[in-house]
Amino acid sequence: QVTLRESGPALVKPTQTLTLTCTFSGFSLSTSGMCVSWIRQPPGKALEWLARIDWDDDKFYSTSLKTRLTISKDTSKNQVVLTMTNMDPVDTATFYCARGYSASSYSLDVWGKGTTVTVSS
Amino acid sequence: DIQLTQSPSFLSASVGDRVTITCRASQGISSYLAWYQQKPGKAPKLLIYGASTLQSGVPSRFSGSGSGTEFTLTISSLQPEDFATYYCQQLNSYPYTFGQGTKLEIK
Repeated sequence: QVTLRESGPALVKPTQTLTLTCTFSGFSLSTSGMCVSWIRQPPGKALEWLARIDWDDDKFYSTSLKTRLTISKDTSKNQVVLTMTNMDPVDTATFYCARGYSASSYSLDVWGKGTTVTVSS
Repeated sequence: DIQLTQSPSFLSASVGDRVTITCRASQGISSYLAWYQQKPGKAPKLLIYGASTLQSGVPSRFSGSGSGTEFTLTISSLQPEDFATYYCQQLNSYPYTFGQGTKLEIK
């Protein structure tokens, strides 16, 4: 059974750096064709894709946020980490991690439950 | 970036109705389109990938079609559990983008 779980601070201050961890089980990110993406959703708004990391360590980012985002993986720990710098109140959102796989055209077939991050002083 | 525009943004329908949601891409994306269902307070759930392939476990009343720039999600006979928000996502090129969502409400 594939599961993913997001973890990180619920509250960050403006200008701080947010670090989120996605811990997964049921698959390996060293398997060819596997990837993990991060997605966020501000309250009452649409989904926004943020970043993706592949089994071969290729990384891809949102155009508008790429200067603020870094995605990395620790295959031995089954974790993917997303950092977002210079947080602002408009970054308040629920953040999700999700698995993608080549067999399903890299669509996001399993999602974590999400973690809510509020940016406020 | 590729823009996805869903229509309508809001849809009111009754149980048993057939409904169709459209997703238009700002440039061709072949068949690299997925559809997700999201209920309040929950993570999205994959319904369809590759524009028309039903994800395992998803009821057959859901279907998808299209290629290039125009895609549709059809629910053949609405069930009470189908009232939710639906999103399309393109996976043709980076950055992957989502549509703005279609909220399906009970009439």
